[in-house]
Amino acid sequence: EPEVTQTPSHQVTQMGQEVILRCVPISNHLYFYWYRQILGQKVEFLVSFYNNEISEKSEIFDDQFSVERPDGSNFTLKIRSTKLEDSAMYFCASSDRLAGGYSSYNEQFFGPGTRLTVL
Amino acid sequence: GQQVMQIPQYQHVQEGEDFTTYCNSSTTLSNIQWYKQRPGGHPVFLIQLVKSGEVKKQKRLTFQFGEAKKNSSLHITATQTTDVGTYFCAGAGAGSYQLTFGKGTKLSVIP
Repeated sequence: EPEVTQTPSHQVTQMGQEVILRCVPISNHLYFYWYRQILGQKVEFLVSFYNNEISEKSEIFDDQFSVERPDGSNFTLKIRSTKLEDSAMYFCASSDRLAGGYSSYNEQFFGPGTRLTVL
Repeated sequence: GQQVMQIPQYQHVQEGEDFTTYCNSSTTLSNIQWYKQRPGGHPVFLIQLVKSGEVKKQKRLTFQFGEAKKNSSLHITATQTTDVGTYFCAGAGAGSYQLTFGKGTKLSVIP
C-alpha cells in the first residue's frame, strides 16, 4: 500500500540553526501539507501546497518557515532559525484532492512524522 | 479565527462499553473529518462528513454531522482494546480548505 515517508525520524538541533525536514508524498497525489503536533497537544495546520505554490498557510507559518518541492518526489519544510518552541512532531501529509474541500471523500494520508528537538 | 472544541479530553471505558466523543465548532463548517492516532503513531483518516445531518457508519463506529454543520460526534459501540488511541475531529470552514483540529479525546479501554 502506498505511504507517505518522512526523514529523519528524529532531528536534534541547536537553537538558531536551520533544519530541513523531508517528505516523500504518495506518488500520484497533488496536494501536500505540513502539520505540527507539540507533545500531548492537538495537530496544527501549517501549510498546504499545490501546483508548486502555497495554497494556504496558518499564522504559525511565519517568515522562518518555507516549503519547497525541489524535484518530482520530495516535499521539504525548512525552518531557518529554530526556536525552543519549534520542538514538536512535524507531520507531512498528501492527498489526491484538496483536504477540506467539498468532495464527499478526500482522505489525507499522514507520514510517520519527524520529531524535532530544539536545544 | 475558527476554533474546534472536543470533549471529553479523556475517556476510560471497560471493554464492551460504548464510547462517544463530541466536537463543536465556533463557526459553520464546510465539512468535518475524523482521525485516529495510536500512541506514538500518526493520524489516520477515518471519515469525512459533508452534508448537514449526515450519518455514516463503519462497523462499530457511527459518525454524525449536525444539522447546523457546527457539531459532530463519533460513537463506538462495544469498545475493544484495539480502539485505544486519540480521536481527533478536524473541520474546514466555509471558503477555506485549512483543517482545524480539535484537541482530541484519548480513549483507554480496560480489558
